[in-house]
Amino acid sequence: GDSVTQMEGPVTLSEEAFLTINCTYTATGYPSLFWYVQYPGEGLQLLLKATKADDKGSNKGFEATYRKETTSFHLEKGSVQVSDSAVYFCALVGGGADGLTFGKGTHLIIQP
Amino acid sequence: EPEVTQTPSHQVTQMGQEVILRCVPISNHLYFYWYRQILGQKVEFLVSFYNNEISEKSEIFDDQFSVERPDGSNFTLKIRSTKLEDSAMYFCASSGEASIRNQPQHFGDGTRLSIL
Repeated sequence: GDSVTQMEGPVTLSEEAFLTINCTYTATGYPSLFWYVQYPGEGLQLLLKATKADDKGSNKGFEATYRKETTSFHLEKGSVQVSDSAVYFCALVGGGADGLTFGKGTHLIIQP
Repeated sequence: EPEVTQTPSHQVTQMGQEVILRCVPISNHLYFYWYRQILGQKVEFLVSFYNNEISEKSEIFDDQFSVERPDGSNFTLKIRSTKLEDSAMYFCASSGEASIRNQPQHFGDGTRLSIL
């Protein structure tokens, strides 16, 4: 079945550092890919999405590019802030399926 | 911005009892979902619902689970005879009318279910 693998956390960075959170996937067909973020005490919020190969999703300074050749969708941000501290989930929905398949989540901690 | 709302935020229930988790999806959305997250584990898909019937369900969604849209606004998940292993955070989500693969799912804040 479909699966998503994310780098293990927690990831601890200083403010203004460059962020990469790796995400790779296995899926049948051509999935759509998503990054969700969960701030403490809140639900999952959509951060960005990409629906076909080479699409780049972007939002709030975060970016991720759908790489079909490497089955990856790595999340990047050029300069992180303390307010970016949260858990980040990579997810996909495969062709013909309804439900999202999630990675385990990566806990990001940004220190001032 | 429209939100998915879930109630209660925390539910404590004795093992073997029935529990109903409630959700109000975004008003113009047509697809509804339930997910769960056992502490320390992945968010897992349970079921999707469209046009007043189950569209897809996972292996987790066995006979003890059921879903219902009792009126035009609520979407409920019922667990008939709860077990200790049902303790988890349960998330409701909804998405719009267009093809599912292109429409992101919007999540509520979740209901934490604790089975004693």
